[in-house]
Amino acid sequence: TQLLEQSPQFLSIQEGENLTVYCNSSSVFSSLQWYRQEPGEGPVLLVTVVTGGEVKKLKRLTFQFGDARKDSSLHITAAQPGDTGLYLCAGGADDYKLSFGAGTTVTVRA
Amino acid sequence: DTGVSQNPRHKITKRGQNVTFRCDPISEHNRLYWYRQTLGQGPEFLTYFQNEAQLEKSRLLSDRFSAERPKGSFSTLEIQRTEQGDSAMYLCASSLEISGRFTGELFFGEGSRLTVL
Repeated sequence: TQLLEQSPQFLSIQEGENLTVYCNSSSVFSSLQWYRQEPGEGPVLLVTVVTGGEVKKLKRLTFQFGDARKDSSLHITAAQPGDTGLYLCAGGADDYKLSFGAGTTVTVRA
Repeated sequence: DTGVSQNPRHKITKRGQNVTFRCDPISEHNRLYWYRQTLGQGPEFLTYFQNEAQLEKSRLLSDRFSAERPKGSFSTLEIQRTEQGDSAMYLCASSLEISGRFTGELFFGEGSRLTVL
């Protein structure tokens, strides 16, 4: 059972468009991570958010942590084909275990 | 150090055979994790080590699975009497956890894909 629900499951957009991916949970997390995974590779950490309401920007990517620390969003501005991948959110549990959502597969068409 | 290294990258085996995967973490990292990922799902926690001690095992890790980290460096994950349901990507990750605070910032290897025929 996934503690974290991600939506949408799939997203296909044209180069230059914007997109938002959501991560929701009924649990409160002390921190939440976003990872990106390409086919046949392991996930790569993009960002960690810790404080409720926190917003972090990484070039064209904007990450937001909900005020109650139960949800998060990832917004990509002017998407490029290089942004294609599986975006995973993850939250810490039990001080050692990272629980992942099922991911959102993003495809950016040139 | 170039990151977390896993081998083999791909393994095809027949049902009932044993397989072993190896993970070499980032050298200064004290924690090592094993996750399993199936198609369309996020990684699922299997087990983790703090240095050489295996501190937690998931219910997913049946008695056919065993993991070791003998000297607190590399780790092996062995699956005995493989079943078709074991087909998955097995991911290793490492992290440096200090002062007992879990950061959730894991560095993953490229994974070992297992196909059981």
